[in-house]
Amino acid sequence: EAGVTQFPSHSVIEKGQTVTLRCDPISGHDNLYWYRRVMGKEIKFLLHFVKESKQDESGMPNNRFLAERTGGTYSTLKVQPAELEDSGVYFCASSSLRTGEQYFGPGTRLTVT
Amino acid sequence: GEDVEQSLFLSVREGDSSVINCTYTDSSSTYLYWYKQEPGAGLQLLTYIFSNMDMKQDQRLTVLLNKKDKHLSLRIADTQTGDSAIYFCAEMANSGAGSYQLTFGKGTKLSVIP
Repeated sequence: EAGVTQFPSHSVIEKGQTVTLRCDPISGHDNLYWYRRVMGKEIKFLLHFVKESKQDESGMPNNRFLAERTGGTYSTLKVQPAELEDSGVYFCASSSLRTGEQYFGPGTRLTVT
Repeated sequence: GEDVEQSLFLSVREGDSSVINCTYTDSSSTYLYWYKQEPGAGLQLLTYIFSNMDMKQDQRLTVLLNKKDKHLSLRIADTQTGDSAIYFCAEMANSGAGSYQLTFGKGTKLSVIP
């Protein structure tokens, strides 16, 4: 069974540009989460989808971040326009509705210059 | 608010036991997790314990939970060089928005000396 996959693995963009990160959860997992780790800090929750609906987006930093999960399968996280402080590693995780175990993807390292 | 604390570094000799400690503050935590991150890799779910349990053993891993003191530990028996990684403690609690999110510590970097 394939695990959680994320694309790209690394993205370098200039301040003011737009970047879209993608996450493919484990097949059949209705819960999908986005987390972020900025340099030297903890991994922080961003938001949670249940199928295609946003269950909790309390961790989203501001309105430059837009997450979607059309069709309840893969999800995208768009940052527009990117700022220097957005640099970090963005993790996606998924879990089934039956269990609480969240399985993480390898992360996307975003560098904003 | 939730806060998860863990020491940043631990160094042990190969063959010895490693003990990584973690404290958390949210008494409503349902599950507590240990994740492992090897260099250049993502987060690997190592083990977890339900909040009404005191101990869980899984091969070389032993998780101890003291709910009264909000203290969680991970013991790795017979530590190997392949165990060198960053270990994250995380608690799962209801965010109040109908969502169960993870709150992570900063991670403990385990270095195993051959």
